[in-house]
Amino acid sequence: QVQLQESGPGLVKPSETLSLTCTVSGGSISSGNYFWTWIRQPAGKGLEWIGRLHIRERTDYNPSLKSRVTISGDTSKNQFSLKLSSVTAADTAVYYCARDGYHSGSYLDYWGQGTLVTVSS
Amino acid sequence: DIQMTQSPSSLSASIGDRVTITCRASQSISDYLTWYQQKPRKAPEILIYTASSLQSGVPSRFSGSGSGTDFTLTISNLQPEDFATYYCQQSHSLPRTFGQGTKLEIK
Repeated sequence: QVQLQESGPGLVKPSETLSLTCTVSGGSISSGNYFWTWIRQPAGKGLEWIGRLHIRERTDYNPSLKSRVTISGDTSKNQFSLKLSSVTAADTAVYYCARDGYHSGSYLDYWGQGTLVTVSS
Repeated sequence: DIQMTQSPSSLSASIGDRVTITCRASQSISDYLTWYQQKPRKAPEILIYTASSLQSGVPSRFSGSGSGTDFTLTISNLQPEDFATYYCQQSHSLPRTFGQGTKLEIK
């Protein structure tokens, strides 16, 4: 059973960088069959796809966030990470990591429980 | 970006009812459409992938249909645990995009 767990600071100051880590168990981020993805959800609102990492090939980012986002992986720890720079209150959200398939019509089949990040001074 | 529009935004129904939620894409996405269920303070869970394929472990009262731009999620014989918010998501193009959600409430 694949499990994902987000971790990181729950409070970030405006203009600083949000940093989160997703630890994967029961599966390997080195697998060529998956993308490892970040999604966020502001309170009471819908889901926004942030971006994804294929450890052997590439990263893909949402153009709306691309200038501020970096997703990277650490195969030795079986983790992948999100960095979002120059945050504002609009970046306050629950952040989820998830696994996406590497095929046409792929889907997010395993999700972390989510972690709330609040941007406030 | 491909825009995904769900209707209705909210829906009231009773135990045992049959309900249908619609998702429309702003351009054709073939059958690259996934449905998720989200309960309060929980992560979304996959229900249906490639428009009509039932994820393992999901009750058969959930079904999906459609292709191109128009899709539906149908829940037959509503159960108490089905009251939640439902999202569609396209996986045809990047960035992946979600519908705004449909909240299913008990009447």
